[in-house]
Amino acid sequence: DAKTTQPPSMDCAEGRAANLPCNHSTISGNEYVYWYRQIHSQGPQYIIHGLKNNETNEMASLIITEDRKSSTLILPHATLRDTAVYYCIVRVGSGNTPLVFGKGTRLSVIA
Amino acid sequence: GAGVSQTPSNKVTEKGKYVELRCDPISGHTALYWYRQSLGQGPEFLIYFQGTGAADDSGLPNDRFFAVRPEGSVSTLKIQRTERGDSAVYLCASSLTPMTGPQGYTFGSGTRLTVV
Repeated sequence: DAKTTQPPSMDCAEGRAANLPCNHSTISGNEYVYWYRQIHSQGPQYIIHGLKNNETNEMASLIITEDRKSSTLILPHATLRDTAVYYCIVRVGSGNTPLVFGKGTRLSVIA
Repeated sequence: GAGVSQTPSNKVTEKGKYVELRCDPISGHTALYWYRQSLGQGPEFLIYFQGTGAADDSGLPNDRFFAVRPEGSVSTLKIQRTERGDSAVYLCASSLTPMTGPQGYTFGSGTRLTVV
């Protein structure tokens, strides 16, 4: 079973920041938070991951609370192409445990 | 190739028939994963290979499902006596090694299987 809880859907106006929350209250000390997204008719695509510190890359920013029980993925300037299902996954950083996906959040970016 | 290739992209079959779904991973990737995604759900793990061997097949739903990777590259997912409930998108992913973190997974676009 997925160890995360996400809202089923969200809307965001084009050009605005999209903030996608994720609860992972049972996260273990050695587990990372990973974010993937799945655009319609494509396979999931890695976005970003983090352990404790906030992270930023060219796609998004990841804010992890100090107690690590929740996190937020931020798309700073959402575009129509960011419309997708976003999955938050917790897992150890290496090792052969398969990724376990939940249902994710369906983000709709509206013009 | 540049990415993970899955063929066919769409497959329609009759109930009771046998089907094979193919996955070509990224060259040099030793780990290969199969997932199944039903409508409105996240991908569900089926099996993963390290090289030629199935390292974890705990997600295969029953003995009608079988997968092989005889030369450690291309993998085939085989489904016998298909049922309407097998209709889903079957996704394949590869990574350099099983120890590679999830940031190193590359997914294909999937095969949409419809059993009528």
